[in-house]
Amino acid sequence: NAGVTQTPKFRVLKTGQSMTLLCAQDMNHEYMYWYRQDPGMGLRLIHYSVGEGTTAKGEVPDGYNVSRLKKQNFLLGLESAAPSQTSVYFCASSYSRRLGQINTGELFFGEGSRLTVL
Amino acid sequence: AQKVTQAQTEISVVEKEDVTLDCVYETRDTTYYLFWYKQPPSGELVFLIRRNSFDEQNEISGRYSWNFQKSTSSFNFTITASQVVDSAVYFCALSDEGVAAGNKLTFGGGTRVLVKP
Repeated sequence: NAGVTQTPKFRVLKTGQSMTLLCAQDMNHEYMYWYRQDPGMGLRLIHYSVGEGTTAKGEVPDGYNVSRLKKQNFLLGLESAAPSQTSVYFCASSYSRRLGQINTGELFFGEGSRLTVL
Repeated sequence: AQKVTQAQTEISVVEKEDVTLDCVYETRDTTYYLFWYKQPPSGELVFLIRRNSFDEQNEISGRYSWNFQKSTSSFNFTITASQVVDSAVYFCALSDEGVAAGNKLTFGGGTRVLVKP
């Protein structure tokens, strides 16, 4: 059972380059999230999605774009990478409160993607 | 706005000592959920516990225990008789039930626990 899978696990970019992080979940979750983790700051929400075709901004959305074209996938894009975007990125998914799914509020996380922007 | 504060950035103990991690939260909502996650050196995030705002009973799970005090907006976590395998970063998090959609979590900055043999 794969759970939440992120690709790639590691990436080094030069300033100004673009890239996309892919998150895939096989638990039929409605909700998906992208967080970034920086030392001493915990995890901060970048963008999230409450269903296929919908996305919303989180706490730190600037410089990122997302898409949720399929329920199982949530893509995080960096159009023009900056050194400030060097971080570990975590994707997560969870059940929905609205659709009567079993919902403990727990987020299921991927293993993380370490991105370095030079 | 929601806020979670973990004032202790790093705690170092010797194996078998008890360690308590503090978590203080702020929210304007009356219904909310509190969580603890563990991040071992391998980097993944492991769910430990969820507590809703209406349940102030303390909980014990093996060597882990949690003390929720709504009056002081605290949700502290104690590891009894710590072991080297408990070395990790521990995050406290808050989910606002009043948000229209999503189980969005607000995380504290984390507390790194180092258990020395």
